[in-house]
Amino acid sequence: EAGVAQSPRYKIIEKRQSVAFWCNPISGHATLYWYQQILGQGPKLLIQFQNNGVVDDSQLPKDRFSAERLKGVDSTLKIQPAKLEDSAVYLCASSSYRGPYEQYFGPGTRLTVT
Amino acid sequence: DQQVKQNSPSLSVQEGRISILNCDYTNSMFDYFLWYKKYPAEGPTFLISISSIKDKNEDGRFTVFLNKSAKHLSLHIVPSQPGDSAVYFCAATQGRGGADGLTFGKGTHLIIQP
Repeated sequence: EAGVAQSPRYKIIEKRQSVAFWCNPISGHATLYWYQQILGQGPKLLIQFQNNGVVDDSQLPKDRFSAERLKGVDSTLKIQPAKLEDSAVYLCASSSYRGPYEQYFGPGTRLTVT
Repeated sequence: DQQVKQNSPSLSVQEGRISILNCDYTNSMFDYFLWYKKYPAEGPTFLISISSIKDKNEDGRFTVFLNKSAKHLSLHIVPSQPGDSAVYFCAATQGRGGADGLTFGKGTHLIIQP
């Protein structure tokens, strides 16, 4: 079974530029999550999708971050405009709605904002 | 306000001995707890979980203990092996056995000495 795929793996941009990350979850997993992991911290949930609907986006900075999950499969997370404090690893995870509910993570995208 | 705390940033253990990683939480609504292991440049990998209705769950060399009254859980690894050297994250969630977003601690870097 293929795992969660993410691209790109690394991205360097200047502040005020925009950037987008892509995630392809494990086949059949209805629930998809985006997490932000700042250096020295644990991952922090940004947004959770159930199929193509948003379940929880309470920690998503909506003035600059947006996410979508078209057709309930792939997802894209966008930052526009980026700030220095957005430098982090962005992790995508997926889980099965029918259980078990453990979340499976992709390798992440390391974003550096200069 | 950190709801999940891992107070030891690092832990060094001799190969073959027991590794004990600790985690405390403050949110009494959490009812499902998970441990993840993370190697550099990879996403977190699920290790073991426990529901709040249990006080112990075992899987091979890994055992998780939950003390609800103390809001404390621990991960025991016996015997410790060199491949166990990684960062370990404690995570918690409420509702549906872990299908909702996870709240992570900051992690403990476990180093297994030969």
